[in-house]
Amino acid sequence: AQSVTQLGSHVSVSEGALVLLRCNYSSSVPPYLFWYVQYPNQGLQLLLKYTSAATLVKGINGFEAEFKKSETSFHLTKPSAHMSDAAEYFCAVSDQGSSNTGKLIFGQGTTLQVKP
Amino acid sequence: ETGVTQSPTHLIKTRGQQVTLRCSSQSGHNTVSWYQQALGQGPQFIFQYYREEENGRGNFPPRFSGLQFPNYSSELNVNALELDDSALYLCASSFEGGYTEAFFGQGTRLTVV
Repeated sequence: AQSVTQLGSHVSVSEGALVLLRCNYSSSVPPYLFWYVQYPNQGLQLLLKYTSAATLVKGINGFEAEFKKSETSFHLTKPSAHMSDAAEYFCAVSDQGSSNTGKLIFGQGTTLQVKP
Repeated sequence: ETGVTQSPTHLIKTRGQQVTLRCSSQSGHNTVSWYQQALGQGPQFIFQYYREEENGRGNFPPRFSGLQFPNYSSELNVNALELDDSALYLCASSFEGGYTEAFFGQGTRLTVV
């Protein structure tokens, strides 16, 4: 079964500092991987996705993630944090099992705090 | 292009009651998936509807049921509500099963008292 582990439930950075949110996955087939952001009382917004093309994926709002098969990782980074980046971030893997649903399996989430 | 819309945004129900949540999919999408997000947790897959048929189900009891209509909008019904059903319910719309991208609505916050 596929699964996702997000290391660190809370990450705090200073404004302008590097953001690094960690995600490791488990999958028996080549995965599709996603990062979503959720602001308070909102739904999920797609930041970026990996679907077996380039291993370095660029997303919206200056975020990017690198797929590393050897490490089964898909960490999210941003060179310089903005106050507006404070939110909950979810890593997800797409289930490509026999049900063929493409359902998403989410990690527990990481809360990003940005300090002025 | 219209986005995914869910109604209502907030709902309070009493234990044992029944509830219906609604989702309008994004224009051009024929697949709707429902997720339950408990407080402080990641979303959990409930089920998916593709072309009006259930197309996969997560680990949820039968009192969670759904429908998809010819215009691809969808309903999530929960019978015999329990306190643990209190959560944010998210609808996601996609095209042809949605391996590559799913678009989420803003969610319905259900509180069971």
